[in-house]
Amino acid sequence: DVKVTQSSRYLVKRTGEKVFLECVQDMDHENMFWYRQDPGLGLRLIYFSYDVKMKEKGDIPEGYSVSREKKERFSLILESASTNQTSMYLCASITFRDGSGNTIYFGEGSWLTVV
Amino acid sequence: EDQVTQSPEALRLQEGESSSLNCSYTVSGLRGLFWYRQDPGKGPEFLFTLYSAGEEKEKERLKATLTKKESFLHITAPKPEDSATYLCAVQASGGSYIPTFGRGTSLIVHP
Repeated sequence: DVKVTQSSRYLVKRTGEKVFLECVQDMDHENMFWYRQDPGLGLRLIYFSYDVKMKEKGDIPEGYSVSREKKERFSLILESASTNQTSMYLCASITFRDGSGNTIYFGEGSWLTVV
Repeated sequence: EDQVTQSPEALRLQEGESSSLNCSYTVSGLRGLFWYRQDPGKGPEFLFTLYSAGEEKEKERLKATLTKKESFLHITAPKPEDSATYLCAVQASGGSYIPTFGRGTSLIVHP
């Protein structure tokens, strides 16, 4: 069974702290994504990566950075957490190797509260 | 720019009361349209992918259909356990492969 695993389900951090959210997929997917989800705003793309060490900004990259040192792992970093970054963060992965409209697989989500 | 609009935003049904959720989309060539179910506090769970107009897919009480402008998720005789948010996403065939998501329809089924 395919799996996208987010290491932390619930975090509480203080304003100004550096926060790491880790995501691992076991499907050998080349593409990985980080979204945040807020009530009334839906899913918003923060960053994505189409290969190891490659990254592209999504719609709302400000205040975030990412790291992809290995194919299976994609990390989201909040350099200095702020209260407006309190949200649910979702990691996802997808492959296009077979040429069809492939399935996006999501992790269970990480609830981050910044106080 | 690709756009996805889901309606209604929220829907309340009685158990057994069939209904449909709508996903209208604008995309420059459709590669795939996805339906997901999301339970509170959890990540979206994949339901269906539709690729071309006229295609239909079924899973238990759910049936997804696709036209050139919209997709419907039909729920037949729903049960309380069908309560969730249903998300629709489209992927364009040209240019960016990044899926565009709608904001979802929150479904509550009362016993």
